[in-house]
Amino acid sequence: EDKVVQSPLSLVVHEGDTVTLNCSYEVTNFRSLLWYKQEKKAPTFLFMLTSSGIEKKSGRLSSILDKKELFSILNITATQTGDSAIYLCAVRGSNYKLTFGKGTLLTVNP
Amino acid sequence: ETGVTQSPTHLIKTRGQQVTLRCSSQSGHNTVSWYQQALGQGPQFIFQYYREEENGRGNFPPRFSGLQFPNYSSELNVNALELDDSALYLCASSSTDPSVTQYFGPGTRLTVL
Repeated sequence: EDKVVQSPLSLVVHEGDTVTLNCSYEVTNFRSLLWYKQEKKAPTFLFMLTSSGIEKKSGRLSSILDKKELFSILNITATQTGDSAIYLCAVRGSNYKLTFGKGTLLTVNP
Repeated sequence: ETGVTQSPTHLIKTRGQQVTLRCSSQSGHNTVSWYQQALGQGPQFIFQYYREEENGRGNFPPRFSGLQFPNYSSELNVNALELDDSALYLCASSSTDPSVTQYFGPGTRLTVL
């Protein structure tokens, strides 16, 4: 059975700090790893990673995948209060379903 | 906005009742997946529909059923509601192309009393 473990489960930082969120996984016939941000309801897409070692970047957010060690990290630099959310990691295997971790609850205090 | 819509936004039901949730997929997407997200948990895969056929199912009992229509919109039906069915139900649309990600709708918050 596919499995995704995220750490930490929660994190409290001050504005301006840099955070690193972790995601490890086990999946049959890996296709992709996805990061989502969930503030109130719908998870909003951040990144999809398919290849090892290639960093994806969007503004202050970046992510990288290690397919050998089966993990990914999501970095957020110069955090802002608007970054407060649950960050979800999911993997997609050969049957196309997404298997999610429990998420990391990030709180950024002013 | 992703173009995926869900209705209703909120719903309150009592144990034993039945509920139908609806989802309209993003234009160009032919696959719809449904997820249940309990409080404090990540979304859990319920099932997926492709071209009006169920083509994948998670660990949910048969009282969770679904439909997909020719326009790729979808319904999730839950019979004999239980208290533990209280959750956020998310619909995601995608393509069978693995390079296409899944985009989520705003969800339906179901409360079972």
